[in-house]
Amino acid sequence: EAQVTQNPRYLITVTGKKLTVTCSQNMNHEYMSWYRQDPGLGLRQIYYSMNVEVTDKGDVPEGYKVSRKEKRNFPLILESPSPNQTSLYFCASSLPSGTNTGELFFGEGSRLTVL
Amino acid sequence: AQSVSQHNHHVILSEAASLELGCNYSYGGTVNLFWYVQYPGQHLQLLLKYFSGDPLVKGIKGFEAEFIKSKFSFNLRKPSVQWSDTAEYFCAVRDDKIIFGKGTRLHILP
Repeated sequence: EAQVTQNPRYLITVTGKKLTVTCSQNMNHEYMSWYRQDPGLGLRQIYYSMNVEVTDKGDVPEGYKVSRKEKRNFPLILESPSPNQTSLYFCASSLPSGTNTGELFFGEGSRLTVL
Repeated sequence: AQSVSQHNHHVILSEAASLELGCNYSYGGTVNLFWYVQYPGQHLQLLLKYFSGDPLVKGIKGFEAEFIKSKFSFNLRKPSVQWSDTAEYFCAVRDDKIIFGKGTRLHILP
């Protein structure tokens, strides 16, 4: 089954304790992206990746890191989490732009609380 | 930089009413346009998409959208809503990266 898998789905952590949210897709998609969703602000893009070893900042990259060493994986790293990073995070993947199947496929979301 | 604007933040309708949600984007080049729906507690699912061709696009669950290039708009419509359409709706535009609007929360009264 084609899917985007995120882990963990729920996490409560404390300020400053490094964490990684994993994302894996099995559709051989070139494009992957991380978003955070906050009430009234919609989905804001954190980082995206056009292909392996190619990553770029989105609209809200501060406090986050990503890597794309393999096509299927795109982990989101919070080196020193702070309470303002409490949010619902979505990973998504797609084929490249310009294809008529270039829509995003979303993971189930990861709800992160930073105390 | 491209941006997406959804005019209605919160819409309340009765069942069987007609729906139109506005979406405007600011990118002048060739774009791909999408509408996604997010039911309570779930992730986003694709409702419909426009890449080229017929500007009137039909999606799932009776939704449709019309791409009007001169107005930079991609409004979502449904002739008769149901209680099960209660959800949040997001418009999105893609050139290289994909940008979302802030969403419209739709509440259908039974």
